[in-house]
Amino acid sequence: NAGVTQTPKFRILKIGQSMTLQCTQDMNHNYMYWYRQDPGMGLKLIYYSVGAGITDKGEVPNGYNVSRSTTEDFPLRLELAAPSQTSVYFCASSDRTGIYEQYFGPGTRLTVT
Amino acid sequence: EDKVVQSPLSLVVHEGDTVTLNCSYEVTNFRSLLWYKQEKKAPTFLFMLTSSGIEKKSGRLSSILDKKELSSILNITATQTGDSAIYLCAVEGRNDMRFGAGTRLTVKP
Repeated sequence: NAGVTQTPKFRILKIGQSMTLQCTQDMNHNYMYWYRQDPGMGLKLIYYSVGAGITDKGEVPNGYNVSRSTTEDFPLRLELAAPSQTSVYFCASSDRTGIYEQYFGPGTRLTVT
Repeated sequence: EDKVVQSPLSLVVHEGDTVTLNCSYEVTNFRSLLWYKQEKKAPTFLFMLTSSGIEKKSGRLSSILDKKELSSILNITATQTGDSAIYLCAVEGRNDMRFGAGTRLTVKP
């Protein structure tokens, strides 16, 4: 089982560029989440999805977009990157029928300069 | 506004010491409180506490949820250098998850 995979692991963007962070899970989980973690801080929820075709905003959604066309994939789109989006991004998934534990991907370290 | 506050922000102890980490929360429609350990990369799950399961224990780690005080503690006894990490508290509301800033624990030999 691969669990939750994220690509890329690292990326440097210039201000104003766009990119998509990929997230895939193979556990057939309905719930998926995108978080960002700034240095010395906890995780902040950007967007989440309760199932294919359904997405909703979290605590810090501005500057991001998501889509959920399949159960497995939950890409995060950054439009017009800004230095404030420099962070580590984690994708997670959970099975709401059980213990609600979130399984995290390895993270993507993004720098915007 | 929903919030989760952890204390202390950092803690340095010596091997063998016992530590208590705190988490307090104000979250609408509380569902559960989770503790995670974060070393170098992604958080890994430790415990989940709910109204029907307010105390959990695994080896040297244990956690209690106090729903009246809207708080939880994570205890680690006989600490080891491998316990050095950031410990994150997360509280699940109706559909989202709020994390605290974490407690950075350093265990010295």
